[in-house]
Amino acid sequence: DVKVTQSSRYLVKRTGEKVFLECVQDMDHENMFWYRQDPGLGLRLIYFSYDVKMKEKGDIPEGYSVSREKKERFSLILESASTNQTSMYLCASSLGRNQPQHFGDGTRLSIL
Amino acid sequence: QKEVEQNSGPLSVPEGAIASLNCTYSDRGSQSFFWYRQYSGKSPELIMSIYSNGDKEDGRFTAQLNKASQYVSLLIRDSQPSDSATYLCAVNGFDNYGQNFVFGPGTRLSVLP
Repeated sequence: DVKVTQSSRYLVKRTGEKVFLECVQDMDHENMFWYRQDPGLGLRLIYFSYDVKMKEKGDIPEGYSVSREKKERFSLILESASTNQTSMYLCASSLGRNQPQHFGDGTRLSIL
Repeated sequence: QKEVEQNSGPLSVPEGAIASLNCTYSDRGSQSFFWYRQYSGKSPELIMSIYSNGDKEDGRFTAQLNKASQYVSLLIRDSQPSDSATYLCAVNGFDNYGQNFVFGPGTRLSVLP
């Protein structure tokens, strides 16, 4: 079974802090994704990566950056956290083209 | 902008009935199609993948794909209260910028005992 592990289930941070969300997959998947999910807005793609050291902007990249130094790890960075970034953050990975995405358990992030 | 549409629901069905969930998509070049189940407060879980026209069955679940009409559906037979969840349709295609994986907004299903 595919295992996508997110570092924290719940996280509370303060406005202005730099926040790191970590995601690790154990299936040698090429592609990795970061989404946020808010009530009534569905899944929104923040950033994705098709290869090590490669990244592409999704639909809502503002205020975020990512890092993929190793194939199995994809990190999401909130450069200066704001209250409107309070959300459920979901990491996903996929083997390649035409393959489904597999999700981690999610991190519920609260910015106070 | 590529779109995937679903009725938001809630769709309510009695226990033991067939639940029918529908999804339409705008990109004719889409090549792969997926259904995810998401329980409240949890992450999406893949339940079906379908790549060619026709039906694909897996236990109580049947996915149906019609590329000419640009719709994909999910049937759940013998619905159980544990099937109550939000069901997300996802469509994968490719454009000049690479892979394009789009999720629908989801349909909330409620199975009544």
